[in-house]
Amino acid sequence: GIQVEQSPPDLILQEGANSTLRCNFSDSVNNLQWFHQNPWGQLINLFYIPSGTKQNGRLSATTVATERYSLLYISSSQTTDSGVYFCAPGGWDYKLSFGAGTTVTVRA
Amino acid sequence: EAQVTQNPRYLITVTGKKLTVTCSQNMNHEYMSWYRQDPGLGLRQIYYSMNVEVTDKGDVPEGYKVSRKEKRNFPLILESPSPNQTSLYFCASSITLNEQFFGPGTRLTVL
Repeated sequence: GIQVEQSPPDLILQEGANSTLRCNFSDSVNNLQWFHQNPWGQLINLFYIPSGTKQNGRLSATTVATERYSLLYISSSQTTDSGVYFCAPGGWDYKLSFGAGTTVTVRA
Repeated sequence: EAQVTQNPRYLITVTGKKLTVTCSQNMNHEYMSWYRQDPGLGLRQIYYSMNVEVTDKGDVPEGYKVSRKEKRNFPLILESPSPNQTSLYFCASSITLNEQFFGPGTRLTVL
C-alpha cells in the first residue's frame, strides 16, 4: 500500500496560534482525506482533497499530488482543535492508507 | 440524522469465542469499510465493500470475515478471536470513496 509520513508527530500550541501539518505519501493518488480524532475518539472527516486547495472556516488544506504531499493549516487555534489529525491518501484500488497522525494539543 | 452505528461499543471476550460486530448506515452509501486502530499505527483497513455482495481485502484481513447482504449493513466477524485482535475498531461509509463517515468505534479486548 501507499506509505504515509506525517509531521510533526506532536504539536503543542497556545490558543490563537497558527500551525501547519504535513503529509508525505509514496505513490500517486486519486484520493486524499484529512480526519480529526477528538479526545473522545470520534473521527470526523475534515477534507476530501485529492488535489488543489480547500478551506473550511479556520482550517484549510492543500494537496500537491504531483509532488506527493498535502498540508493542513490550522489558524487561530482553539482548545477544541486538540486531538489527532490523520492524513489518508488512496489510489485506484479503493483503499485508504492512514498515517500515524499528528497529535495536537492547544493550551488555553 | 445521518449516522453510522456500531454495536457493541465495548466488548471483552475470550480467545476462540466467535463474535460479530455490527455496522449499519442510514445514508444509502455504497462504500463501507472496517478499520482497526492500534497505538502508534494509525488506522489500518481490514475489509471494504463497494456494494452489496462485493467485498475485498484491505491491508490486514487475516482473522476477520465480512458480509454485505444488504446495502446498509456490513458486519465484522471474528470466527476465532485471539489476543492480537484486541483493538479499537471503526466502521465507515461513503458514497464512493470520497468523504468517509465513521461510526463511534468498538473497543474489543480478547483475553
